[in-house]
Amino acid sequence: NAGVTQTPKFRVLKTGQSMTLLCAQDMNHEYMYWYRQDPGMGLRLIHYSVGEGTTAKGEVPDGYNVSRLKKQNFLLGLESAAPSQTSVYFCASSYSRGAAYEQYFGPGTRLTVT
Amino acid sequence: GENVEQHPSTLSVQEGDSAVIKCTYSDSASNYFPWYKQELGKRPQLIIDIRSNVGEKKDQRIAVTLNKTAKHFSLHITETQPEDSAVYFCAASVDTGRRALTFGSGTRLQVQP
Repeated sequence: NAGVTQTPKFRVLKTGQSMTLLCAQDMNHEYMYWYRQDPGMGLRLIHYSVGEGTTAKGEVPDGYNVSRLKKQNFLLGLESAAPSQTSVYFCASSYSRGAAYEQYFGPGTRLTVT
Repeated sequence: GENVEQHPSTLSVQEGDSAVIKCTYSDSASNYFPWYKQELGKRPQLIIDIRSNVGEKKDQRIAVTLNKTAKHFSLHITETQPEDSAVYFCAASVDTGRRALTFGSGTRLQVQP
């Protein structure tokens, strides 16, 4: 049981380049989230998904797109990277109901845009 | 939307002392309040959580208190140890709908041996 995994772990992009971050979970969770973490700030929600085939915007969605074609995978895309997107990106997943509220986080992807 | 404020931003204590971190939230609909510990370069890990129908919860050296009327909640760590050194984040969410977390800005706790 790997939990939540993310690929890649590190990436350096030039301004204007594109890339996709992959998040995978093997806990059969319905909900999945993408957060970004910047120095001195807490994690901020970029996009989320409440089930396969559904996505929605969070608090800081500009410049990002997401897809959830399979229940276990949640992809975060940067179409044209900007230096302001330099950050650590965390994926998380959770159940959708019941007392199991905990969000399980992946190990993070450190992205630098030059 | 929800706004969570966290204080202090840094906290240094001597080993064995207690540490208290405080958070306030703005959305009265929030009813789930977790605390995460994040070590350098690692993912956030849940250490304790509380729901709005409970005023206090303890787990060994860690306790969380919640005051719904004042919209604030606090993390208490007793008998601190050097391995408690990390960044601690509070968060708030509603346990229905999207269940997304709104995080505080974090507290860097340093426990001096």
